[in-house]
Amino acid sequence: QKEVEQNSGPLSVPEGAIASLNCTYSDRGSQSFFWYRQYSGKSPELIMFIYSNGDKEDGRFTAQLNKASQYVSLLIRDSQPSDSATYLCAAPDTGRRALTFGSGTRLQVQP
Amino acid sequence: EPEVTQTPSHQVTQMGQEVILRCVPISNHLYFYWYRQILGQKVEFLVSFYNNEISEKSEIFDDQFSVERPDGSNFTLKIRSTKLEDSAMYFCASSDGLLTDTQYFGPGTRLTVL
Repeated sequence: QKEVEQNSGPLSVPEGAIASLNCTYSDRGSQSFFWYRQYSGKSPELIMFIYSNGDKEDGRFTAQLNKASQYVSLLIRDSQPSDSATYLCAAPDTGRRALTFGSGTRLQVQP
Repeated sequence: EPEVTQTPSHQVTQMGQEVILRCVPISNHLYFYWYRQILGQKVEFLVSFYNNEISEKSEIFDDQFSVERPDGSNFTLKIRSTKLEDSAMYFCASSDGLLTDTQYFGPGTRLTVL
């Protein structure tokens, strides 16, 4: 099984700032990448997916993918205290549908 | 908006007992999954199910575990002879199987084995 790596944090940003969350993956054949948000004691909630190199924007969220560097990131603009959660990066291994998850980055947005 | 549902939300059982966790996937989805998350650890894949059979499974999914789609809506995970280390959150997910195959997760069942 291939690996998905994330910095566990916590990443602390002030309210209104940009939060930058990073993820690297080991399976060069992975095609699609997912960002989930998980509040404590709750289930993963889909934020975004990305499968093409470059940027994908959805509201305050921007996902960035660089397949050559095997790197995917999530930017959260105008961070709000309600964004405080653990952000999980996930990708399926080549030829599989099962997701391999990173350990997650805990984000704290300070009011 | 359609969502995955799971019952019960919390299950407490004695070691050695059998438990059945239930899920209702999103109605037009074709692929169903079980994941688990031990407290403080990563979300881990257990098994996927398509067209009434297991399509993928992890090394965690041994003979202790089984899955079933007993009718047109429910998807179940059975854990036989539970062990203390089976205590975890169990998440069901489903996907439509299309290009990005985005998986949507249910709220989870917290299993506590005493």
